[in-house]
Amino acid sequence: GAGVSQSPSNKVTEKGKDVELRCDPISGHTALYWYRQSLGQGLEFLIYFQGNSAPDKSGLPSDRFSAERTGGSVSTLTIQRTQQEDSAVYLCASSLGGPRGRGYEQYFGPGTRLTVT
Amino acid sequence: GNSVTQMEGPVTLSEEAFLTINCTYTATGYPSLFWYVQYPGEGLQLLLKATKADDKGSNKGFEATYRKETTSFHLEKGSVQVSDSAVYFCALSGRNDYKLSFGAGTTVTVRA
Repeated sequence: GAGVSQSPSNKVTEKGKDVELRCDPISGHTALYWYRQSLGQGLEFLIYFQGNSAPDKSGLPSDRFSAERTGGSVSTLTIQRTQQEDSAVYLCASSLGGPRGRGYEQYFGPGTRLTVT
Repeated sequence: GNSVTQMEGPVTLSEEAFLTINCTYTATGYPSLFWYVQYPGEGLQLLLKATKADDKGSNKGFEATYRKETTSFHLEKGSVQVSDSAVYFCALSGRNDYKLSFGAGTTVTVRA
């Protein structure tokens, strides 16, 4: 079946511009996660959605970052007024939900490589 | 908070050599433990997992045992192949948590 898809695969933007990154999770997965992979910080959790519950935004690095998930499926991560330190690979993952989702395998998309010039 | 420390790389091996990548963790309670692998040009894939103490996860010839007494989850493979060249990440999710905390990753290169 189809895995997690992300678009675009690469994005180059100028400092100060806004960008939107899209994630399509695996059908039937109620949990969706965004992570960031950068040279200096490794893999970091950003935000988590589970069903209709309020998202866990505890990993968002600043208020320039926001995300939404429409209809319990597709998610968009928005970065406003991009800075050079936002350059990274942004990974989306989805999993089955359930109580805390503990132990459920997270399936990762191929990522969006963001370069801020 | 939760954290994972894994062996720094890069690691370079010859084919058929034995591979060990050390991973230790800090967490309250009993986390679930994972090894993820990222092959060149590909996304992260789950390699194996263990959800309780003394469990052994295994896949593709790799093994890791959840050791509560040493808070470790070391990855091992007895005979590596060139196709095992990748970046390996140790990760955990807490008992009452869902997000993954990752180690820094270990780059493994296997030479023919």
